[in-house]
Amino acid sequence: SAVISQKPSRDICQRGTSLTIQCQVDSQVTMMFWYRQQPGQSLTLIATANQGSEATYESGFVIDKFPISRPNLTFSTLTVSNLSPEDSSIYLCSVARGPEDEQFFGPGTRLTVL
Amino acid sequence: EDQVTQSPEALRLQEGESSSLNCSYTVSGLRGLFWYRQDPGKGPEFLFTLYSAGEEKEKERLKATLTKKESFLHITAPKPEDSATYLCAVQGSYNTDKLIFGTGTRLQVFP
Repeated sequence: SAVISQKPSRDICQRGTSLTIQCQVDSQVTMMFWYRQQPGQSLTLIATANQGSEATYESGFVIDKFPISRPNLTFSTLTVSNLSPEDSSIYLCSVARGPEDEQFFGPGTRLTVL
Repeated sequence: EDQVTQSPEALRLQEGESSSLNCSYTVSGLRGLFWYRQDPGKGPEFLFTLYSAGEEKEKERLKATLTKKESFLHITAPKPEDSATYLCAVQGSYNTDKLIFGTGTRLQVFP
């Protein structure tokens, strides 16, 4: 399995600001994903981060709100823009060797919006 | 629409008291069913992948089984360190890189 780190581990932000979350993997991986886990709810896929091209977003998530970068095969960022209290959640990145392989998750970033 | 339902939502067991967690799923062509363990404040930890009905996998006190409609995670003689939330996810044929997660079963094992 891969070793995955996320920064920051937690943050408290003001309404209307943005937060950028970093995900770093210790080895090259084909697939990187971003999930949201709201309190008491299951993990929901936000988007697949594609290396060298635009991310693929799931229904209900848009690039203007959740811009994603993936400059290489070991690193990705997720920005949560124009924050509102409803964005308070845990954000997780995951990686996989291939599209049908098991995914391994980072430790998560806990975001609180005041 | 692909869907995963886990039951019970919460389970309290005495140490040594075996039990099973259920994951019922609806998916267009199952590619894989995944079990994860999640401790508070941490990301999910991968446990098992099951691909076809009848398949079983074991790891220490855990055994996962799969039928065409559901999966069970059997916990034999649990210990307090098995306390965690157990998540089930499926991957379907039409969205092969997407995992659909259930809401999990929160397990507490008391000494």
